[in-house]
Amino acid sequence: AQRVTQPEKLLSVFKGAPVELKCNYSYSGSPELFWYVQYSRQRLQLLLRHISRESIKGFTADLNKGETSFHLKKPFAQEEDSAMYYCALRLSGGSNYKLTFGKGTLLTVNP
Amino acid sequence: EPEVTQTPSHQVTQMGQEVILRCVPISNHLYFYWYRQILGQKVEFLVSFYNNEISEKSEIFDDQFSVERPDGSNFTLKIRSTKLEDSAMYFCASSESLGLIQYFGAGTRLSVL
Repeated sequence: AQRVTQPEKLLSVFKGAPVELKCNYSYSGSPELFWYVQYSRQRLQLLLRHISRESIKGFTADLNKGETSFHLKKPFAQEEDSAMYYCALRLSGGSNYKLTFGKGTLLTVNP
Repeated sequence: EPEVTQTPSHQVTQMGQEVILRCVPISNHLYFYWYRQILGQKVEFLVSFYNNEISEKSEIFDDQFSVERPDGSNFTLKIRSTKLEDSAMYFCASSESLGLIQYFGAGTRLSVL
């Protein structure tokens, strides 16, 4: 069965510092990987998906199949980046399109 | 921007009671999902629904749970006889097509006393 691991429950950085939120997955096939973000009192919203290969709000994430990782990075964190970040996996192909989430990392960006 | 809406935002119920959680997916979306998140734990898939039938369900989604699309706009999750361990945040999501982005509602917090 597929699994997503986010090793850090909490991550605290100062404004302007680089930030990396780690995500590792276990799945033998070719998954789709996503980062969802939940700002305080708001809904889960998609931040990035690996197949888009785009940068959103300065965040990027690269799928590393060798290390089975999909870490989220931003070179200069901003206070408004403070939120809960969830890495999620979806199997590609077939009829199984459920998302499997990690436990999430709460990012706090201090002034 | 269209959004998935969920009502109520907070539901309190007594153990053994039936609850219905309501969702209005985005209007042109065809695939609907329920997830739940017990406090401090990960978001877990419950069920997906397409063309008026369940397309996939998890082992959590037992006989106590059911889903329905009673009209052209609502998508409901019913828990027949709630247990304490059903206390969680329940998220509805929808997608335009299979394999496309799932958009989430703000969630319903269910508290079973």
